[in-house]
Amino acid sequence: EPEVTQTPSHQVTQMGQEVILRCVPISNHLYFYWYRQILGQKVEFLVSFYNNEISEKSEIFDDQFSVERPDGSNFTLKIRSTKLEDSAMYFCATRQGTEQYFGPGTRLTVT
Amino acid sequence: QQQVKQSPQSLIVQKGGISIINCAYENTAFDYFPWYQQFPGKGPALLIAIRPDVSEKKEGRFTISFNKSAKQFSLHIMDSQPGDSATYFCAAPPRKLTFGTGTRLTIIP
Repeated sequence: EPEVTQTPSHQVTQMGQEVILRCVPISNHLYFYWYRQILGQKVEFLVSFYNNEISEKSEIFDDQFSVERPDGSNFTLKIRSTKLEDSAMYFCATRQGTEQYFGPGTRLTVT
Repeated sequence: QQQVKQSPQSLIVQKGGISIINCAYENTAFDYFPWYQQFPGKGPALLIAIRPDVSEKKEGRFTISFNKSAKQFSLHIMDSQPGDSATYFCAAPPRKLTFGTGTRLTIIP
């Protein structure tokens, strides 16, 4: 069964550094999402992406965040200057019809 | 932001029992109601979903009941098993998912 993959599985970075989280969507899916989950809390929507542009973003998705699809296969989330509070699991999700399929996540730890 | 309210926060059920988790939503324009299951260290996985034109959907031991007038939907897990121990999230669809706060379900022998 096709699945969403994410790399790295765990990223440790120092405060102020830039990180790039990568996702490989399911091949025929056209809608891409990033969500985050702070430890022990619910999953929160960050941004949706369709047709090479952001279609919707949450208030969490401020100017330090950006997304792109650099090569037609990967879908990336960049955090320009990480803060301690960015420590969380970041999930990529993709969909074609109604159902969203989630990747296994990247655990980001900011020290 | 549209709210999706989920209860209870945690639930302990004996093996073989019925687990029931409830969700209430606000936006009457929602047209698809999924439940996600999440194991520790893993991403949410779609478990079962329903559209508002039906009141109930059953897949194996999992059933969604939908009450459109009350704007509520619930997940029932029949014959609960230890492998069902996970966190369950309801969500509101589908362009972007707004998740409930989650229910940590523990099935005890």
